[in-house]
Amino acid sequence: DAKTTQPNSMESNEEEPVHLPCNHSTISGTDYIHWYRQLPSQGPEYVIHGLTSNVNNRMASLAIAEDRKSSTLILHRATLRDAAVYYCISVRSGGSNYKLTFGKGTLLTVNP
Amino acid sequence: EAGVTQFPSHSVIEKGQTVTLRCDPISGHDNLYWYRRVMGKEIKFLLHFVKESKQDESGMPNNRFLAERTGGTYSTLKVQPAELEDSGVYFCASSRQRRTNTGELFFGEGSRLTVL
Repeated sequence: DAKTTQPNSMESNEEEPVHLPCNHSTISGTDYIHWYRQLPSQGPEYVIHGLTSNVNNRMASLAIAEDRKSSTLILHRATLRDAAVYYCISVRSGGSNYKLTFGKGTLLTVNP
Repeated sequence: EAGVTQFPSHSVIEKGQTVTLRCDPISGHDNLYWYRRVMGKEIKFLLHFVKESKQDESGMPNNRFLAERTGGTYSTLKVQPAELEDSGVYFCASSRQRRTNTGELFFGEGSRLTVL
């Protein structure tokens, strides 16, 4: 799986959009990009995933660069509940094993 | 629909003792995973069950760890004998899909293990 690089921390204000970047310059053509987050004292929680096209769901949007070497998780209106560590993970396609490789992630602080 | 349930939420034992952690996956999920985060480190994969069979146990640290999933339902992770470096949070996750890249894992809240 491709290595991903994220900033250690980011800060946002409540009700403002947040753009969390992720670099994955060694990603292969069939690797998916997944995002998970971990709220304090909880297990990781799936946020979104994508391959090439931008993706939207009820939680967030995922914008994937045309060359796929980077992506951005977008929280359209941050709430206090969005304060968490966000993990960007590349997942090899075609396998039968969901072996997620968690890095250090980005600690998002949301100010009221 | 109930989520992934783990028990106990916190266990404190002495070095050399045995601890068994339990995970109840979401009903109907054939895939069950164990992960752990030890102090100051990143979350690491331990192993993966498909139903009752071990698909991949490459992340198990040593033979003091034994995972089982009898009948393909709940799973247990036994640590015997426990060492200080086993302290951390053990997460269980489950998923329905066989293909990894299109689905999501559902994680439990974790079992915190403290070895004194």
